[in-house]
Amino acid sequence: EIVLTQSPGSLSLSPGERATLSCRASQSVSSTYFAWYQQKPGQAPRLLIYAASHRATGIPDRFSGSGSGTEFTLTISRLEPEDSAVYYCQQYGGSPRTFGQGTKVEIK
Amino acid sequence: EVQLVQSGAEVKKPGESLKISCKGSGYSFSKFWIGWVRQMPEKGLEWMGIIYPDDSDARYSPSFQGQVTISADKSINTIYLQWSSLKPSDTAMYYCARLWLQRKAPLDYWGQGTLVTVSS
Repeated sequence: EIVLTQSPGSLSLSPGERATLSCRASQSVSSTYFAWYQQKPGQAPRLLIYAASHRATGIPDRFSGSGSGTEFTLTISRLEPEDSAVYYCQQYGGSPRTFGQGTKVEIK
Repeated sequence: EVQLVQSGAEVKKPGESLKISCKGSGYSFSKFWIGWVRQMPEKGLEWMGIIYPDDSDARYSPSFQGQVTISADKSINTIYLQWSSLKPSDTAMYYCARLWLQRKAPLDYWGQGTLVTVSS
């Protein structure tokens, strides 16, 4: 099983600042099979990024993904209050599919 | 519009059985894999398994193999998650979600979640 470890566990930033979230895989993951999700309190998760760097439909361009191999990054370039959420990475190439434990982003 | 609508919250006692559902609409339901994801209280997301409604081919995460059953009825665009004997540790929110286009795919549409509470 591929273990995904996210860092930091949480971060608190001001509107307009840049957030950088990391996800490290226990073994190499094809970038084709890597995603990021956003989950706001009381809501189902929402797909943000697929194939490591492609934004899903309707996702603002302030969200971007990068990385390959065992290191992946989600960047939120200019934080807005509605970006307050927990962010999860996921690999969907290996079996079983696995998620990271999440990074909580708080907007001050 | 693609929609996945899940059945309502359940409160059960340990040892009881349960079957929750997820009904899809707005797309060719039987041709997309659908997965189940567990979220225990204040915890992260866990992959349970997936099913292809067209032929009911189901694949399970090792952590959930033998603990739950995933099934489908393509005639009514619905998939199910079933327990034969619930435990308190099954208390969680359960989400169904569609895999985009193929089995190795991200989850592009999600149901609203079904909260299952198991308590004596």
